[in-house]
Amino acid sequence: DTGVSQDPRHKITKRGQNVTFRCDPISEHNRLYWYRQTLGQGPEFLTYFQNEAQLEKSRLLSDRFSAERPKGSFSTLEIQRTEQGDSAMYLCASSLADRGDEKLFFGSGTQLSVL
Amino acid sequence: SQQGEEDPQALSIQEGENATMNCSYKTSINNLQWYRQNSGRGLVHLILIRSNEREKHSGRLRVTLDTSKKSSSLLITASRAADTASYFCATADYKLSFGAGTTVTVRA
Repeated sequence: DTGVSQDPRHKITKRGQNVTFRCDPISEHNRLYWYRQTLGQGPEFLTYFQNEAQLEKSRLLSDRFSAERPKGSFSTLEIQRTEQGDSAMYLCASSLADRGDEKLFFGSGTQLSVL
Repeated sequence: SQQGEEDPQALSIQEGENATMNCSYKTSINNLQWYRQNSGRGLVHLILIRSNEREKHSGRLRVTLDTSKKSSSLLITASRAADTASYFCATADYKLSFGAGTTVTVRA
């Protein structure tokens, strides 16, 4: 069990550029979540997958954001035409959802800075 | 919007003292969870309490849940410098929603 890994750890980009983040969940976990966290705040839900199906997207997620989880394994989160307001920590978490009491295992996050 | 709200926002204590933080939430829940986050890192699950439970212990952690008041508390006993972190409550209906957290500083 190597835990949830996220890549890259830090990303600096210029406004208007596209960025893509990757998350590798714990291998036997069937659910994968993306959260966004700004300084001094708790994580805000963005979207989640059960296996390869994307089951929910937050209303916070504009059309510039897209997430995929091909084959129910790793996931990518892409932000197109980045804006300064996208600067945040993007957290990925995975879980094994079976009979309730679902606990999330988080990666260390990708810190995005949009200049 | 976030489901839970922690109180206080920040807490500073001496090593060896106890730290107590509270969480209030708005809607019905299946369970309530507490997570810890060290600076610049991901969150780590600490403890889960189900909606039909009133109190739970794990090592130096004690969690209470009052569903009639829609509130929970987390007590850390005999605090250590390593307990310095932000603590978040998270409420679960079908996904976890987090509060803004309590930042705890334990002074040596």
